[in-house]
Amino acid sequence: AQSVTQPDIHITVSEGASLELRCNYSYGATPYLFWYVQSPGQGLQLLLKYFSGDTLVQGIKGFEAEFKRSQSSFNLRKPSVHWSDAAEYFCAVGPNTGNQFYFGTGTSLTVIP
Amino acid sequence: DAGVIQSPRHEVTEMGQEVTLRCKPISGHDYLFWYRQTMMRGLELLIYFNNNVPIDDSGMPEDRFSAKMPNASFSTLKIQPSEPRDSAVYFCASSLWFNEQFFGPGTRLTVL
Repeated sequence: AQSVTQPDIHITVSEGASLELRCNYSYGATPYLFWYVQSPGQGLQLLLKYFSGDTLVQGIKGFEAEFKRSQSSFNLRKPSVHWSDAAEYFCAVGPNTGNQFYFGTGTSLTVIP
Repeated sequence: DAGVIQSPRHEVTEMGQEVTLRCKPISGHDYLFWYRQTMMRGLELLIYFNNNVPIDDSGMPEDRFSAKMPNASFSTLKIQPSEPRDSAVYFCASSLWFNEQFFGPGTRLTVL
C-alpha cells in the first residue's frame, strides 16, 4: 500500500544550525514527491517538488531535498535554520496520473535562539 | 492571482446545524481538493474534482458530508447535520494538473 512516513514528530534545533527532516515513502510506481510547510494558522505552502531528473532539488526559503530511490527517501535539508522556519513540515507523494495523493503526518519544527 | 480563497475562515455552530464551507480555486486550475486536518488524524483527503466532476469521494467520512462544484470557480463542502467530532480545519486546494497543489488558508470549524 502507498504511504508516507515522517518518523520525527517533533524536532528542536538552534537558530543557525543545520536541519534535516526525514521522509520515507512506499509507492509502487515512480513517485512524484513534495515538501510543504504550514505556519500556524495558515494553509500549506509548497517548498519544493521532485518529478524526475536531478535527484537534488532546490526549493524556496533555502531548502533542498534529495531523492534516494534505493532508500525510498526524500529528506528535506537546510544548512542554517532561521527562527522564521519554525512550522509544521509535510512530505507528500503522488502519482504522475490522476489518483490518490498521500501526505505524511508532519514534523513540527521548533527553533530556539 | 489571489490564490485559493476559502470562506468563512472561522465557523462556530451547534450540533445538528448545517454547515457550508466555500472555496474559490485559482483561475484555470482544473483540479480541486477538499482536505480535513485534525490533531488525531492529520491531513485527510475528503474528495477531489477534475473539471467540476467528482473523481474520488472515498475519503468522505459519512453521508452527512457532501461536496459540489457547480462551476470551475466555486465549490462547497456541506455537513448536515454537524456533530462535535466534525470540528477540524478544512482546507481547499487546487491544481493545474493533479500533483502540484495550492492550498487555501483553511476554515476552522467548531461544532459545539
